[in-house]
Amino acid sequence: GAVVSQHPSRVICKSGTSVKIECRSLDFQATTMFWYRQFPKQSLMLMATSNEGSKATYEQGVEKDKFLINHASLTLSTLTVTSAHPEDSSFYICSARRREHEQFFGPGTRLTVL
Amino acid sequence: QKEVEQDPGPLSVPEGAIVSLNCTYSNSAFQYFMWYRQYSRKGPELLMYTYSSGNKEDGRFTAQVDKSSKYISLFIRDSQPSDSATYLCAITQGAQKLVFGQGTRLTINP
Repeated sequence: GAVVSQHPSRVICKSGTSVKIECRSLDFQATTMFWYRQFPKQSLMLMATSNEGSKATYEQGVEKDKFLINHASLTLSTLTVTSAHPEDSSFYICSARRREHEQFFGPGTRLTVL
Repeated sequence: QKEVEQDPGPLSVPEGAIVSLNCTYSNSAFQYFMWYRQYSRKGPELLMYTYSSGNKEDGRFTAQVDKSSKYISLFIRDSQPSDSATYLCAITQGAQKLVFGQGTRLTINP
């Protein structure tokens, strides 16, 4: 299978600070990447679709000014959580699409906002 | 009605048992059917995908799709403790976003 990495794997930050999470497809190019959020014992919730070289498409209810997404290259997408608050604490997972129906997921980033 | 329904379990079976995991969906336009395995605190791992009705086998895993009933299944033969994880079905129309089931938590007891 294809490999997708995420960095950092875990981050703890103070309320009000911004946090950047990187998602990289290591062995394939991905014009489309996705960002998900997952709460304990729940399924994945799609936050946004990131297309290389264009603006991300956000799902309903997701604040685009709070969750900034940049997809500057075919192998890298970043999610920045701006002015993070405790309610933003969650498990954030990215995926990269290799072919039309194939999505490969990163290992996830656990964000804790104090 | 949710687009994809999956029993969240939890499901607990003895080692060596055959496990059956299922999902139902509502939109007949869905074309691709995936099963992901997710270990605790990890990202989902793609196990199998199928495109049309029928069976697809990969080792101990068999994916089954019945488009007429809008029903998909994943069978695990000779289950092992290492199979203990959450299994997520995911469905898509193709170059569209994945629609996930709630995930079924599976425990294989030695």
